[in-house]
Amino acid sequence: AQKITQTQPGMFVQEKEAVTLDCTYDTSDQSYGLFWYKQPSSGEMIFLIYQGSYDEQNATEGRYSLNFQKARKSANLVISASQLGDSAMYFCAMSSSTGANNLFFGTGTRLTVIP
Amino acid sequence: NAGVTQTPKFQVLKTGQSMTLQCAQDMNHEYMSWYRQDPGMGLRLIHYSVGAGITDQGEVPNGYNVSRSTTEDFPLRLLSAAPSQTSVYFCASSPRLESLSNEQFFGPGTRLTVL
Repeated sequence: AQKITQTQPGMFVQEKEAVTLDCTYDTSDQSYGLFWYKQPSSGEMIFLIYQGSYDEQNATEGRYSLNFQKARKSANLVISASQLGDSAMYFCAMSSSTGANNLFFGTGTRLTVIP
Repeated sequence: NAGVTQTPKFQVLKTGQSMTLQCAQDMNHEYMSWYRQDPGMGLRLIHYSVGAGITDQGEVPNGYNVSRSTTEDFPLRLLSAAPSQTSVYFCASSPRLESLSNEQFFGPGTRLTVL
């Protein structure tokens, strides 16, 4: 079974600063994928970034990067140069080779960017 | 290209009533799924489908039925609503089952309240 743990219910960051949102996972599968989604107050789910378990390089997408440490089973999201529009809930999720395209989500972290 | 659409946006039911949440996608995606989002619990998979005519249970299937008669549509049925089914429901779709990197595209959600 897959399990995603996000231990930070809430985080604050100053505008223009970088912030790291933590995510650890547990799986017995060798092949899996890790995702981060953003959910603003309007409620929609927005895909941010993906990392495959066999990818050697950490994924990056603009201001988002994923700090993937396979041995520690962690997949932290780093947001650089935070903007007010980054204030939202952030969810870490995982897919596995044994689970079709199903995603298993963590409980989320609410990020607040302070002007 | 409307993406993933869900109707209704809001619904209030009385205990014991039945209803169907509608989900449609126009991207010709094979995979579709339903999640529910409860406060503090992230998103949990209810049912999913890997193609027309094929459905399977997710993590929390009790109280819900699904069918997939076409590629485009994946309705979720509540046969006898209970207050425990008060939640926000998201439908999602993604292409090509064989890739772990498949981003799931989410609908805007349906907020359901059962009194």
